Amino acid sequence: KQEVTQIPAALSVPEGENLVLNCSFTDSAIYNLQWFRQDPGKGLTSLLLIQSSQREQTSGRLNASLDKSSGRSTLYIAASQPGDSATYLCAVFNQFYFGTGTSLTVIP
Amino acid sequence: SAVISQKPSRDICQRGTSLTIQCQVDSQVTMMFWYRQQPGQSLTLIATANQGSEATYESGFVIDKFPISRPNLTFSTLTVSNMSPEDSSIYLCSATPSGRSSGAQYFGPGTRLLVL
Repeated sequence: KQEVTQIPAALSVPEGENLVLNCSFTDSAIYNLQWFRQDPGKGLTSLLLIQSSQREQTSGRLNASLDKSSGRSTLYIAASQPGDSATYLCAVFNQFYFGTGTSLTVIP
Repeated sequence: SAVISQKPSRDICQRGTSLTIQCQVDSQVTMMFWYRQQPGQSLTLIATANQGSEATYESGFVIDKFPISRPNLTFSTLTVSNMSPEDSSIYLCSATPSGRSSGAQYFGPGTRLLVL
């Protein structure tokens, strides 16, 4: 059974700092990996999708990488802002498994 | 991408009653899904809503408890039946506009359910 783990569970950083969120998975037979953000009481917003054949994807200040062989993905956020405060979830899609998320707080 | 809406956004229900949650997508999509997010936990897939046929349920979820309808390519409903306090969760629907299992998933805003 696929297991998806996100470390750290919570992270607090000062505004402007660059940061990395980690996601690991146990079964490398995935279709893709997707990063989401979830604001309190809200649904999920898709951030980046990486297909299984890709190594990374970029959108604005966000960069996500994928290393299937080691079962790892990272989400890099550059020049963090208070508006980035949210819970970040990674999900692997062959069997629809979600990580437990990293709660990010960016302090002004 | 796809814009997905859900109704109701939240509800408080009594034990033993049922609630039907609606999910509307702004474009025709092949694949729609229903998830549950229990307090403090991540998402768990309940079922895949198939248009024109019975939903495909994940282990631990049954049709009698979570009947699902998918009458067309833009709409689905999830009913939470005979509710108990353990059913208190956020219920989310999602869709894959590309129709491919490798396509991006887009989520609705969720329905917050509290069962007393």
